[in-house]
Amino acid sequence: QQQVKQSPQSLIVQKGGISIINCAYENTAFDYFPWYQQFPGKGPALLIAIRPDVSEKKEGRFTISFNKSAKQFSLHIMDSQPGDSATYFCAASSGGSNYKLTFGKGTLLTVNP
Amino acid sequence: DAGVTQSPTHLIKTRGQQVTLRCSPKSGHDTVSWYQQALGQGPQFIFQYYEEEERQRGNFPDRFSGHQFPNYSSELNVNALLLGDSALYLCASSPTGFAEAFFGQGTRLTVV
Repeated sequence: QQQVKQSPQSLIVQKGGISIINCAYENTAFDYFPWYQQFPGKGPALLIAIRPDVSEKKEGRFTISFNKSAKQFSLHIMDSQPGDSATYFCAASSGGSNYKLTFGKGTLLTVNP
Repeated sequence: DAGVTQSPTHLIKTRGQQVTLRCSPKSGHDTVSWYQQALGQGPQFIFQYYEEEERQRGNFPDRFSGHQFPNYSSELNVNALLLGDSALYLCASSPTGFAEAFFGQGTRLTVV
């Protein structure tokens, strides 16, 4: 049972454009939703995270939008840059599970110059 | 402040052998989790250690075992290696009760 579904699998955006990646979850006990960025040969790096008590969180060019009733959340990358080209993973966890992370399958983002 | 460090970075083993991977958590972090990331997939939770004990475990066979030391560092052991165990093994650390998990660069294990 895949508890976190991520789409699209891959995404190509022009420099300066907006990249949007979506995730949906099933477990209503989840209370922490991070996004990770991973470059080839590296470990995932925590990018931004949100809790369900807010609908949006912004950090620089990165914004998470959260819809608790729909059990969906998304990552928006504004003014996308070639250096943003990487694989992005959404994840979810709960304090009741000692914050064991359940990951989506990832989105390969390519930003063309 | 060093982040999460893992060793070795790459490893090649023969089917049936045993392997030990090591992880030093970020300073101040006492909880260590291990994940397996197959090529093109998201990381899958193996188990989590806290106070030198396995606190929870994912859907992995008993061939996967671990240990946490008093200084919070951790080891992941895999016995009777299978070709399907080839993957990037990631260690993540966090302070107890906090959700933010920080990953190391991983150990790339290839089983031939």
